[in-house]
Amino acid sequence: NAGVTQTPKFQVLKTGQSMTLQCAQDMNHNSMYWYRQDPGMGLRLIYYSASEGTTDKGEVPNGYNVSRLNKREFSLRLESAAPSQTSVYFCASSELRGGQPQHFGDGTRLSIL
Amino acid sequence: QKEVEQNSGPLSVPEGAIASLNCTYSDRGSQSFFWYRQYSGKSPELIMFIYSNGDKEDGRFTAQLNKASQYVSLLIRDSQPSDSATYLCAVTPLGRFGAGTRLTVKP
Repeated sequence: NAGVTQTPKFQVLKTGQSMTLQCAQDMNHNSMYWYRQDPGMGLRLIYYSASEGTTDKGEVPNGYNVSRLNKREFSLRLESAAPSQTSVYFCASSELRGGQPQHFGDGTRLSIL
Repeated sequence: QKEVEQNSGPLSVPEGAIASLNCTYSDRGSQSFFWYRQYSGKSPELIMFIYSNGDKEDGRFTAQLNKASQYVSLLIRDSQPSDSATYLCAVTPLGRFGAGTRLTVKP
């Protein structure tokens, strides 16, 4: 009964490095999301996927790419990390009307030096 | 103007009191309204959601929606120290969150 699982939990990168954040859900939800959370900024939507095979940009997509590999998995890739991407990243899933997230993963704390 | 606004707090209430958290939004077309609780260092948890004008109750929590005035509120009755957290409001369009209100319940 894992819910939404994110890996890794912590990561430190150097500017210019790339990495992929992994997310998987076991609730058979159609919608999945990637958010970032910065102090005083609340949660900001990076990308979301309403169903397998579809992805759409959110509020802050620049510098990120996503892949909805199948119904369970939704990954977030930073191609060339920048210090401004230092943040806590949350993956979420949902089946709710209105499309807001229902279940969140534990988050990935990412630092870019 | 921010699309979803919340008083950042901190809001402090004594144990057993009613905590009232407010959220205003700018998009008159918003249809769905959500409240989340986030403990420090943890991920958000969905508390409740409301789609229609009026009140919706779930245990000690009541969500109140007034679309004409563009606000949604969350009341927490019989507040407990374990309710101390940041409360996030979210509305459609998709993904719009307020910055959150930090609530402290003092024993």
